[in-house]
Amino acid sequence: RKEVEQDPGPFNVPEGATVAFNCTYSNSASQSFFWYRQDCRKEPKLLMSVYSSGNEDGRFTAQLNRASQYISLLIRDSKLSDSATYLCVVNGHSGGGADGLTFGKGTHLIIQP
Amino acid sequence: EPEVTQTPSHQVTQMGQEVILRCVPISNHLYFYWYRQILGQKVEFLVSFYNNEISEKSEIFDDQFSVERPDGSNFTLKIRSTKLEDSAMYFCASSVLGQGAVEQYFGPGTRLTVT
Repeated sequence: RKEVEQDPGPFNVPEGATVAFNCTYSNSASQSFFWYRQDCRKEPKLLMSVYSSGNEDGRFTAQLNRASQYISLLIRDSKLSDSATYLCVVNGHSGGGADGLTFGKGTHLIIQP
Repeated sequence: EPEVTQTPSHQVTQMGQEVILRCVPISNHLYFYWYRQILGQKVEFLVSFYNNEISEKSEIFDDQFSVERPDGSNFTLKIRSTKLEDSAMYFCASSVLGQGAVEQYFGPGTRLTVT
């Protein structure tokens, strides 16, 4: 069974702090990895894809460890607008367009002023 | 910025009735998907669709469900004989054709309430 596991939180973090989330995935054949964010009762929005070499987009850094089947997301200089649920997402066995995404339950982040 | 749109935003139906949820994917995208999210639970894959046929479906997508691309722009999910447990947010998504990290973009969802 394909699973993605995340700490549900909530993580309560002061504005300006750095926060890190992790997730693990069970399907070793997974090819593509993503972080999405979801605001309450809204759609998942793509935050960033995660590449084997690690990648950075502004204040966000994602890392992938294929050997440990582990994905991380680091948020620096957190803003109030970063408050959301962060979803760890993996794509399937082929990595192609046909594969459905497997979502984690998400980690709830609350940035406090 | 192009986006996926969905209608209606909220649909209320009685148990046993049929509903059709509609989506307009991003115009140059070729893969289309339906997902659902029961309140308080994770997003779950239902089905992917490419070149006018189903590419992949999950165990949730049983004979009660069907998908169709009736014209060049719409992509629909039909649920026959709805059950109380079908109450959920239904998200449509689309992606470009390609290999590798194929990014899927989600519409705002249709909240289905079965009474």
